[in-house]
Amino acid sequence: EDQVTQSPEALRLQEGESSSLNCSYTVSGLRGLFWYRQDPGKGPEFLFTLYSAGEEKEKERLKATLTKKESFLHITAPKPEDSATYLCAVAAGGTSYGKLTFGQGTILTVHP
Amino acid sequence: DTAVSQTPKYLVTQMGNDKSIKCEQNLGHDTMYWYKQDSKKFLKIMFSYNNKELIINETVPNRFSPKSPDKAHLNLHINSLELGDSAVYFCASSQSGRARNNEQFFGPGTRLTVL
Repeated sequence: EDQVTQSPEALRLQEGESSSLNCSYTVSGLRGLFWYRQDPGKGPEFLFTLYSAGEEKEKERLKATLTKKESFLHITAPKPEDSATYLCAVAAGGTSYGKLTFGQGTILTVHP
Repeated sequence: DTAVSQTPKYLVTQMGNDKSIKCEQNLGHDTMYWYKQDSKKFLKIMFSYNNKELIINETVPNRFSPKSPDKAHLNLHINSLELGDSAVYFCASSQSGRARNNEQFFGPGTRLTVL
């Protein structure tokens, strides 16, 4: 069974204090790894898709990287508006068309 | 301008009732999904439709029945509601279900509370 584990469960940072979130996965053939941001009371907002080990993508202060077993979401010089829950999900080979398996998320709080 | 919309936003009902949640997307996507997010914020897929055809049906009780009248709409009907059905339900859509076009875009969610 496909599994996605995110760590830490919660992370508190000071504004400007860079850090990383981890997403470890166990799947039978990775077809894609997805990062989402979810604000309280809202639906997840798509951030990145990574398809193969070594791939990297950036958006503003966020950078996502992928290895064969895990993905990192690096946050550089975060601001309070980066506070949210960050979700990781995988699409695996052999699973049903379009199925994503999500991790439990990392709650990020950035203090001014 | 809303890409994926759901109604209602909040739904409070008694045990045993039947209720429906509606979802519409204006992105021109072929695939739509229903997810359930429990109190621990864990997001789990329930169903997916591609061009009105049911593709994914996870181990969901038969009381839950999705209906897709066209590829822009996917509704969720729930019979005989139980306390454990209380959760936030999200609709999502993607261009296709294939990996390289499977970025899924989510609606704002429907918070269902069963009393």
